[in-house]
Amino acid sequence: DGGITQSPKYLFRKEGQNVTLSCEQNLNHDAMYWYRQDPGQGLRLIYYSQIVNDFQKGDIAEGYSVSREKKESFPLTVTSAQKNPTAFYLCASSKVAGRRETQYFGPGTRLLVL
Amino acid sequence: QQPVQSPQAVILREGEDAVINCSSSKALYSVHWYRQKHGEAPIFLMILLKGGEQKGHDKISASFNEKKQQSSLYLTASQLSYSGTYFCGTRASYGGSQGNLIFGKGTKLSVKP
Repeated sequence: DGGITQSPKYLFRKEGQNVTLSCEQNLNHDAMYWYRQDPGQGLRLIYYSQIVNDFQKGDIAEGYSVSREKKESFPLTVTSAQKNPTAFYLCASSKVAGRRETQYFGPGTRLLVL
Repeated sequence: QQPVQSPQAVILREGEDAVINCSSSKALYSVHWYRQKHGEAPIFLMILLKGGEQKGHDKISASFNEKKQQSSLYLTASQLSYSGTYFCGTRASYGGSQGNLIFGKGTKLSVKP
């Protein structure tokens, strides 16, 4: 079955630690995205990538980093510089298809701070 | 820049209708509607493009008023499975290009038996 997988489902971060969230898709989609979701805030864009080896900052990129070495993978690192990382993180992907480009989401990773 | 959704929350009895609105201050290229159950991924419902089109999916339909930069999601004869938070995502139009998808804060819909 084609889809987007995220792991782990829950992740705990200690003070000063970097943690990496995994996102993989087998939909052959060109573009991939990372969103952060806080209660009552909707989804906010962290980073996005439209092609391999290229990515762009979204609205809240500070304290995060990404890489796109393969078309199907777009890992997100939450660095120690992100002072309030507790949130639900959603990865999405889309086929760059002009006017009807639609994003499809993975199941999410919930990050908690110890 | 973030679209404004109204109402913030609505409670319905099974079989009742609901309307969820999404407004933007920007000229819009497209509007995307999603539904999210608690702790799960948002599920894509439909996309509307500028041109004032209206779309339907089972008993859920939507309209897009390009002149007013507004979209409305209509849920008729609601079912228990319709419960969740509904998000609109808007893509602004900048001349010949489009901006990123920006999501509203969501409307929480609860359908009671």
